[in-house]
Amino acid sequence: EDQVTQSPEALRLQEGESSSLNCSYTVSGLRGLFWYRQDPGKGPEFLFTLYSAGEEKEKERLKATLTKKESFLHITAPKPEDSATYLCAVQAETGNMLTFGGGTRLMVKP
Amino acid sequence: DAGVTQSPTHLIKTRGQQVTLRCSPKSGHDTVSWYQQALGQGPQFIFQYYEEEERQRGNFPDRFSGHQFPNYSSELNVNALLLGDSALYLCASSLLGGSTQYFGPGTRLLVL
Repeated sequence: EDQVTQSPEALRLQEGESSSLNCSYTVSGLRGLFWYRQDPGKGPEFLFTLYSAGEEKEKERLKATLTKKESFLHITAPKPEDSATYLCAVQAETGNMLTFGGGTRLMVKP
Repeated sequence: DAGVTQSPTHLIKTRGQQVTLRCSPKSGHDTVSWYQQALGQGPQFIFQYYEEEERQRGNFPDRFSGHQFPNYSSELNVNALLLGDSALYLCASSLLGGSTQYFGPGTRLLVL
């Protein structure tokens, strides 16, 4: 069974204080690993797809990396508007469903 | 370009009732997946539809059923509602050959 564990569950940062969110996974053949951002009461917003170990993707202050067992979402000099829940999900080669972790709730204070 | 749309945005039902939620996929997409998200948790996969057929199903009872129409829009039906069915129901669309799924805003269901 595919599993995704995200840590920490919650993270408080000061504006400008860089940090990383972790996503550990087990999957029977990885088709893709996905990062989403979710604001309260809204649907997840797609950020990145990573397909193979060593791959990196960047968007503004966010950078996602992938190894064979985990992925990191690095946030550089965060701003209050980066406050949200960040979700990690994996998709196995054998199907199309996404298996999600519990998310990391990020709070950035000015 | 319209993204994924869902209706209604909110719904209140009582135990034992039945509910139907609706989803229109992103333009050009042919595959629709449904997820249930309880408060404070990650989304859980319910099922996926392509070519009007259920292609994959998660760990949900038969009370949860769906349908896909020729225009690729989809419905999620839940019968005999339980208090534990209260959640945010998310629809995601994609291309069958593609991997990335794009989510709608969700329908918040409250069962009393």
